Amino acid sequence: AQSVTQLDSHVSVSEGTPVLLRCNYSSSYSPSLFWYVQHPNKGLQLLLKYTSAATLVKGINGFEAEFKKSETSFHLTKPSAHMSDAAEYFCVVSDGNNDMRFGAGTRLTVKP
Amino acid sequence: SQTIHQWPATLVQPVGSPLSLECTVEGTSNPNLYWYRQAAGRGLQLLFYSVGIGQISSEVPQNLSASRPQDRQFILSSKKLLLSDSGFYLCAWSRGGSRISTHYEQYFGPGTRLTVT
Repeated sequence: AQSVTQLDSHVSVSEGTPVLLRCNYSSSYSPSLFWYVQHPNKGLQLLLKYTSAATLVKGINGFEAEFKKSETSFHLTKPSAHMSDAAEYFCVVSDGNNDMRFGAGTRLTVKP
Repeated sequence: SQTIHQWPATLVQPVGSPLSLECTVEGTSNPNLYWYRQAAGRGLQLLFYSVGIGQISSEVPQNLSASRPQDRQFILSSKKLLLSDSGFYLCAWSRGGSRISTHYEQYFGPGTRLTVT
């Protein structure tokens, strides 16, 4: 069985400062991992995905994530937060079959 | 390019009334299709998925049902809504195949906000 834990339900940063959204996973397989972003009352948009290639994955809007197998983590980072980054972020783990687990989400607030 | 549409965008329905939400995908063939529900302040719950016309799999027992009458059309229905059916309903598609492969990323529609009163 798989599971995914987003360690912070809410993260608040100031504009221009770094962003770190933490995600730990558990999987018996070689998982695929995804980060999605959801702005209020909108659908989810794919930020980036890891599928056993390079462990440092670059996504859209300046986000990136590093797959660390030894730590079973897939944390999302951005060097400098922008006001438009304020949204809900979801970490997702998949075993490639019929099991895709969404984290509970992390709400990112960006202060001016 | 591929696009995914959902309608209506918002819906207010009384308890006991029927429901029909529609999702269509353009620009791709034989996609895998998914219905999710997102309750207020919570993550996503997979309700149904489909790998082809008429092929529906349910993840959660409930008073909802899904149908796929055409390759790129996915419908979520209920005969009688409950208060607990309120939420944000999201349709998604991914690259298709004879079975679900969740190594493929999913692309989400804009969602339908359902309020049952």
